[in-house]
Amino acid sequence: QKEVEQNSGPLSVPEGAIASLNCTYSDRVSQSFFWYRQYSGKSPELIMSIYSNGDKEDGRFTAQLNKASQYVSLLIRDSQPSDSATYLCAVRSTNAGKSTFGDGTTLTVKP
Amino acid sequence: GAGVSQSPSNKVTEKGKDVELRCDPISGHTALYWYRQSLGQGLEFLIYFQGNSAPDKSGLPSDRFSAERTGGSVSTLTIQRTQQEDSAVYLCASSLQGIGNTIYFGEGSWLTVV
Repeated sequence: QKEVEQNSGPLSVPEGAIASLNCTYSDRVSQSFFWYRQYSGKSPELIMSIYSNGDKEDGRFTAQLNKASQYVSLLIRDSQPSDSATYLCAVRSTNAGKSTFGDGTTLTVKP
Repeated sequence: GAGVSQSPSNKVTEKGKDVELRCDPISGHTALYWYRQSLGQGLEFLIYFQGNSAPDKSGLPSDRFSAERTGGSVSTLTIQRTQQEDSAVYLCASSLQGIGNTIYFGEGSWLTVV
């Protein structure tokens, strides 16, 4: 079992719809959770971080964390074609110190 | 500098040659990562440096790969006797110490082994 698992996709949604990206992790002591976006041929860049159970909203993006279920998700409202990218989930625990990335979910938003 | 700086940005080398890839992290960042990403694939963890602690080398794919970090700043990833399967983009990233700190990526070094 991978430490951080994501559905590879591709996930395709129409413009204006809600895109839902999911991530599960295996290390129960994980403390910090991050969502990165990576455009084709570019480096990953941070979208959001979340540390506490519940929802965290930033503009069109909402991160949801459920530590009991070891699950973190990213919702993108009013999806735009410019949101088309690969979304990487990253998890950091206190023990290891380093962040572990999932393999990413490729999102395509169709006009 | 303002961001993570990597060099060279592109490197074409012949099979069997050694290559060195350099990473200059953001000033003050104690954590430094190297990842490899093949076309269309996810990030493959290679090595992690954190301050003065022993590096986590668990991701290095073979003994042809090594990395060092001098003075807690600049890092060099060395690939000896390159093979065609080493062709990928090598990403360096850095962060401040601490559980909630963001990882910042460089633009990567694109390696092609011919």
